[in-house]
Amino acid sequence: QVTLKESGPALVKPTETLTLTCTVSGFSLNDTGMSVSWIRQPPGKALEWLAHIFSNDEKSYSSSLKSRLTISKDTSKSQVVLSVTDMDPVDTATYFCALYGAYGWFDSWGQGTLVTVSS
Amino acid sequence: DIVMTQSPDSLAVSLGERATINCKSSQSVFFSSNNKNYLAWYQQKPGQPPKLLIYWASTRESGVPDRFSGGGSGTDFTLTISGLQAEDVAVYFCQQFYIVPPTFGQGTKVEIK
Repeated sequence: QVTLKESGPALVKPTETLTLTCTVSGFSLNDTGMSVSWIRQPPGKALEWLAHIFSNDEKSYSSSLKSRLTISKDTSKSQVVLSVTDMDPVDTATYFCALYGAYGWFDSWGQGTLVTVSS
Repeated sequence: DIVMTQSPDSLAVSLGERATINCKSSQSVFFSSNNKNYLAWYQQKPGQPPKLLIYWASTRESGVPDRFSGGGSGTDFTLTISGLQAEDVAVYFCQQFYIVPPTFGQGTKVEIK
């Protein structure tokens, strides 16, 4: 059974760097065709894809946020890490990690973690 | 980026009646080489992550009730709930996976009338 679980701080201050971890189980981050994405959702708003990392370590980022995002993985720990620099109150959102299937839909999601940006 | 636009933003339907949600993409998401539309639908209930309902525009994910159906091609798609149940109250999103970045519609909230 595939599971994903996000962890990280619930509150960050403006200008700080947010670091989130997605711990996966039920598959290996090295499995061909498996990749993990980060997606966020401001309260009451739409979903916004941020980044994903493929089994071969290829990465892809949202063009609007690319300068602020870094995605990486630690296969031995089954973890994918997302860093977002220079956080702002508009970045307040629930951050999800999701399994990005071979064709491009998201077939498994973590429960999400709410991150609030406030001083 | 491909912009996905859903309509309506919300709708209220009586139990047992049909709910239809529309999704329009700013460019075609149909790939002629495999005759597939690169579109998915998700259901999101309050406090929960999205749940995949449909992919390839019309293929139901395993375990999804057959009252959920997807249709359309090219740039215009629909999600139909035939015989709305109380547990179907949720926000529904479409998503294109034709090109990166994957993009989502703004969501349609379905309620009971």
